[in-house]
Amino acid sequence: DTAVSQTPKYLVTQMGNDKSIKCEQNLGHDTMYWYKQDSKKFLKIMFSYNNKELIINETVPNRFSPKSPDKAHLNLHINSLELGDSAVYFCASSQNLGGGTQYFGPGTRLLVL
Amino acid sequence: DAKTTQPPSMDCAEGRAANLPCNHSTISGNEYVYWYRQIHSQGPQYIIHGLKNNETNEMASLIITEDRKSSTLILPHATLRDTAVYYCIVRVEDGANNLFFGTGTRLTVIP
Repeated sequence: DTAVSQTPKYLVTQMGNDKSIKCEQNLGHDTMYWYKQDSKKFLKIMFSYNNKELIINETVPNRFSPKSPDKAHLNLHINSLELGDSAVYFCASSQNLGGGTQYFGPGTRLLVL
Repeated sequence: DAKTTQPPSMDCAEGRAANLPCNHSTISGNEYVYWYRQIHSQGPQYIIHGLKNNETNEMASLIITEDRKSSTLILPHATLRDTAVYYCIVRVEDGANNLFFGTGTRLTVIP
């Protein structure tokens, strides 16, 4: 009965590859997010989507492309992976765009070799 | 975008109250104070939030000073499972809905 789930939990890949991380929420929320937590543990927002529409893109390289097939899903595609993309990626959701209570997934640990 | 200042680390004895301070001296009248925590290797977890009044829920209490320039998160009876990094965040309830996480306070509950 996980509220926000992510797959995979771990992802190890080579530089230059393309990979995807999936996120699903079963809370009926309208808004979903992607965050990146780097090796220094800073947690920064990357994207937010409301009802499948992109709302925020925080100066993330265009190698990162979020896709929201429906309100309950927000997937993150990363092209031409670089060493600096190694991080933990968290998906989150909130009931609507205005509220600040967000529910986070367990994270996907990406290691680029 | 650091609008809050928190001590980098604190210790608390198990079973005692943990009082985590946060300074937000430049807070605007329409900004809420939010608290989240991140237990090792897990996603951040919402704890509590407030605007002006003190708030309490099943997890914690939030005390906001009258001038709103600082606040304290209180965990009334800390357990070992409360060991985590605690983040104090100020934000406007608008469409952008950004949560800017600073460096937080690493709380260690000691047996």
